[in-house]
Amino acid sequence: EPEVTQTPSHQVTQMGQEVILRCVPISNHLYFYWYRQILGQKVEFLVSFYNNEISEKSEIFDDQFSVERPDGSNFTLKIRSTKLEDSAMYFCASRGLSRQGTSGAFFGQGTRLTVV
Amino acid sequence: GIQVEQSPPDLILQEGANSTLRCNFSDSVNNLQWFHQNPWGQLINLFYIPSGTKQNGRLSATTVATERYSLLYISSSQTTDSGVYFCAVGDQPKLIFGTGTRLQVFP
Repeated sequence: EPEVTQTPSHQVTQMGQEVILRCVPISNHLYFYWYRQILGQKVEFLVSFYNNEISEKSEIFDDQFSVERPDGSNFTLKIRSTKLEDSAMYFCASRGLSRQGTSGAFFGQGTRLTVV
Repeated sequence: GIQVEQSPPDLILQEGANSTLRCNFSDSVNNLQWFHQNPWGQLINLFYIPSGTKQNGRLSATTVATERYSLLYISSSQTTDSGVYFCAVGDQPKLIFGTGTRLQVFP
C-alpha cells in the first residue's frame, strides 16, 4: 500500500537554529499538508498546499515557517529560527482524488522535533 | 470554526469487550476520518467516512451527517487496540481534530 514517508523520524536542534522537515507524499496525490501535535495535545493544522502554492494556513503558521515542493516528489517544512515551543511531532499528509471526489488524507509516521 | 467533541475521553476495557466511541461536530462537513494513534505516535488511517457505514474487520464506523455525529465501533477488543482514537472533520482542504478517546485494553 502506498504511504507517506517522513525524514528524519527524530530531530534535536538548538534554539534559534533552522530545521527542515522532509516528506515524500503519495505519488498521485494533489493536496499536501503539515500538522503538528504538541505532546499530550490534539493534532493541529498548520498549512495546506495545492497546485504549487499555499491554499490555507493557520495562525500557528507565522513568518518563521515556510513550505516548499522543490521537485516532483518532496514536500518540505522549514522552521527558520526554532523556539522551545516548536517542540512537537510534525506530521505530513497528502490527499488525492477518487471517483467520488477527494479521498481521505494519509499521514506520515511523523518527525519528533525537540528544541533545546 | 468547526468544533469537534469526542466521548468518552478515556476508556478502559478488558480484552474481548466491545466499545463505541462518539464524535460530534458543530457544522456540516464533507470530510470525516477516524484515526488510531499508536503508542509510537503514528496516526493510522482507519476510515474515511463523511457519511454512511463502513466495516473493516473488527472495526466499523457510521456517520450521520445530517445529525452531525459519527460512531466508531470496536468489537472483541485486543490489547493492540490500545492508543488514542481521533476523529477529524472538515470542509476542504484541512482537517480539524477532536481531542481524542484514550483506549486502554487489558488482558
